[in-house]
Amino acid sequence: GENVEQHPSTLSVQEGDSAVIKCTYSDSASNYFPWYKQELGKRPQLIIDIRSNVGEKKDQRIAVTLNKTAKHFSLHITETQPEDSAVYFCAASSLDTGRRALTFGSGTRLQVQP
Amino acid sequence: DTGVSQDPRHKITKRGQNVTFRCDPISEHNRLYWYRQTLGQGPEFLTYFQNEAQLEKSRLLSDRFSAERPKGSFSTLEIQRTEQGDSAMYLCASSLVFEGNYGYTFGSGTRLTVV
Repeated sequence: GENVEQHPSTLSVQEGDSAVIKCTYSDSASNYFPWYKQELGKRPQLIIDIRSNVGEKKDQRIAVTLNKTAKHFSLHITETQPEDSAVYFCAASSLDTGRRALTFGSGTRLQVQP
Repeated sequence: DTGVSQDPRHKITKRGQNVTFRCDPISEHNRLYWYRQTLGQGPEFLTYFQNEAQLEKSRLLSDRFSAERPKGSFSTLEIQRTEQGDSAMYLCASSLVFEGNYGYTFGSGTRLTVV
């Protein structure tokens, strides 16, 4: 089955700096890679996703890059703000199997210091 | 209907008791997923339904766990003879599958504590 590794487990940045979270996956059949943000005590929320037919996707201050050859993908947050503080999870699945059950990484706790 | 609803939000039970959780997905969503999340970890897949059909179950779903989705609407997850290791947040998610839309909407979860 799929295995997704995520690092770092914790990340502290100053407000306005950039943050990068990296994930690797093991199953070459995986072709869908979402990122979820989970604030303390709340539900995970989808913030951005990417399919394997593109190498990069951007939405305002967040972007995701994908390297299929190396089987890794990254989340980039620019101009971080205190409200970006949360746990971020990467995930992977294969849209082709029809299952779409996501395999999640173990999470990165991001703290943005004002 | 503004999101995925889960009930109860919290459940404390004694070891050996049975518990049942309910999930009401977004009404037009045809896929429903159950995940389990323990402290400091990412959600782990348990099972998923497309309409009323249960299409896959994780090996994490022992024979003490059963899930149903009668009529393809709400779903229930039952844990029989609970063990302390079952303590976790149980998350439900739903999705509507079409080209360009692949993300889930998660519910707020049911936090189970087995004492």
